[in-house]
Formats: sequence, structure tokens, C-alpha cells
Amino acid sequence: TQLLEQSPQFLSIQEGENLTVYCNSSSVFSSLQWYRQEPGEGPVLLVTVVTGGEVKKLKRLTFQFGDARKDSSLHITAAQPGDTGLYLCAGEGGGSEKLVFGKGTKLTVNP
Amino acid sequence: SAVISQKPSRDICQRGTSLTIQCQVDSQVTMMFWYRQQPGQSLTLIATANQGSEATYESGFVIDKFPISRPNLTFSTLTVSNMSPEDSSIYLCSVENRGLNTEAFFGQGTRLTVV
Repeated sequence: TQLLEQSPQFLSIQEGENLTVYCNSSSVFSSLQWYRQEPGEGPVLLVTVVTGGEVKKLKRLTFQFGDARKDSSLHITAAQPGDTGLYLCAGEGGGSEKLVFGKGTKLTVNP
Repeated sequence: SAVISQKPSRDICQRGTSLTIQCQVDSQVTMMFWYRQQPGQSLTLIATANQGSEATYESGFVIDKFPISRPNLTFSTLTVSNMSPEDSSIYLCSVENRGLNTEAFFGQGTRLTVV
């Protein structure tokens, strides 16, 4: 069974701080995605990373795919209350034809 | 991308009853997916619904408990049958864009509480 481990599980920070969320696996994935889920809503795709070592930026969010395509990180610079939500990573491949989701990181940014 | 409408958005149900969740997509899709998301847990795939054939269930989920309909390429329903408090969860329907990379799109979810 392919597993994606996310850390930390919970994170509460003040507005303006930086943070990094990690997504790790022992399996190699052909691509990895990050989603954000707000209360009462379904997850919304933020980004897909495909190439080992790839870095993608989305405004204050920076996503990186590990060289071996087994791990990924999400870094948020100068967090804002609007960044509050559940961040989920999901992997494609890794021996499974289905998307595999991590447990998520619940981020709270306090004003 | 795809726009997915799911209803109801939430419900409180008595144990022993059944609830049917509806999912409407704004485009024709071959497969629709039903997930369960329990508090503090990851998304767990319940089943894949294909139009014109029986749904494919994941380990731990059975058709008698979670019957699924897929009458056409834009609509599906999931029924949670004979509910117990352990069925309290968020249920999500999803479609995937399987281009170069797979990207998933979700409905807003149904928050079910069984009392």
C-alpha cells in the first residue's frame, strides 16, 4: 500500500510568519499534487509537480518535488489568515492507478 | 476543470435510516469517484462509478452498504444505508482530468451526522 505521510498534522501560526509543510513517501510517484480544502468545501487543486527537483511558485506559495520523486514540500511566505485550511498532498503512480492522498496538514493563520 | 454540484451539503440523520447523496457534473465524464473523509483522516476512496456498469468498490466497502447509481455521464448518487454513528463523516464526489497528469476536482462535500 502506498502511503503519503504529511507533517506537521496541525500548525497554528501568526500572520506574517513563514511555514513549510512536508509530504513524504517510500514510493516513487510520477506526479504529486497539492490541494487546499476550506471548511464546508471540497479540496481545490493548487499545483501539480512532475519532474524531480521541480520548483513551482504560486504567489506566496512555493512547491518543490524531491529529486527522487518521493517527497514534496510546500512553503508559504508571509502567511495570511486567508491561507487557513487543510493542505493535502496526493500522489499519482507509485504502483497504484489511483490517487493516493496524505492525511493533510491543518493550517491556522491567526491575525 | 469541472464544476461539481453535490447535495445535500449537510444532514443529520437517525440511525437505521438511509441517505442518498447526489452529484452533478457540468461535463460528461467516464468515471466518478466517491470518497469518505473522517475527522482527522485522509480521503478514503469508497468506489469508482462507471456509466453503464456496476461500481467498483474498494476494500472495506460493499455495495449493500453504499449502493451507487450512475444513470448517465454527468450524474451519480451514493446511498449510505442503515446508518450508524460510525458513518458520520464528510462524503465527497470527484472527477478526474486524466491528461498528461491526473488532476482531481471535488464537489463541496456532504457532512453527515448520524445520531
